[in-house]
Amino acid sequence: QKEVEQDPGPLSVPEGAIVSLNCTYSNSAFQYFMWYRQYSRKGPELLMYTYSSGNKEDGRFTAQVDKSSKYISLFIRDSQPSDSATYLCAMSAWDNYGQNFVFGPGTRLSVLP
Amino acid sequence: DTAVSQTPKYLVTQMGNDKSIKCEQNLGHDTMYWYKQDSKKFLKIMFSYNNKELIINETVPNRFSPKSPDKAHLNLHINSLELGDSAVYFCASSQEDRMNTEAFFGQGTRLTVV
Repeated sequence: QKEVEQDPGPLSVPEGAIVSLNCTYSNSAFQYFMWYRQYSRKGPELLMYTYSSGNKEDGRFTAQVDKSSKYISLFIRDSQPSDSATYLCAMSAWDNYGQNFVFGPGTRLSVLP
Repeated sequence: DTAVSQTPKYLVTQMGNDKSIKCEQNLGHDTMYWYKQDSKKFLKIMFSYNNKELIINETVPNRFSPKSPDKAHLNLHINSLELGDSAVYFCASSQEDRMNTEAFFGQGTRLTVV
């Protein structure tokens, strides 16, 4: 079983739709959960991060973490064509060597005008 | 003001050559990373390094070696390049502090081996 699973898509939605992106993971040691957005030929940029279970909202974006189910989600409301990108979930845990990041493979999202 | 910068952005080279990719961060972070993005866009960590320790992903060939002249730089040196090394390589940095979790990424270096 992979440490982090994420549907690679591609996912196409019409402009204005609500988008739901999800990741599951297997390592219960993960404590920090992140979503990165990556435009074509650019480096990933941090979109949101949360600690432990719960919700976090920032504008049109909402991140949810359910540690009991080992499941995280990113919701995008009123999606725009400019949201078209690859979205990577990431999570991290601290071990004896420092902070260990693990990334999902990314979901490619296309928002159609 | 760029936080994590990599050079070059594009690199085309022949098999067998030795090349380096430079990375610099101005965030004052003490930990830097190199990631390889495969054809499926999956980010795989290659190295993590702080001023105390180098952690190497054991699957990385020893033709790859990180070199850190100082805390703000972590360069990636690759010997005897192979076709399979073609990929996008990302540098990142973070602060080894339990209050801060984000890793900041550079823009990537697209390496093509021909």
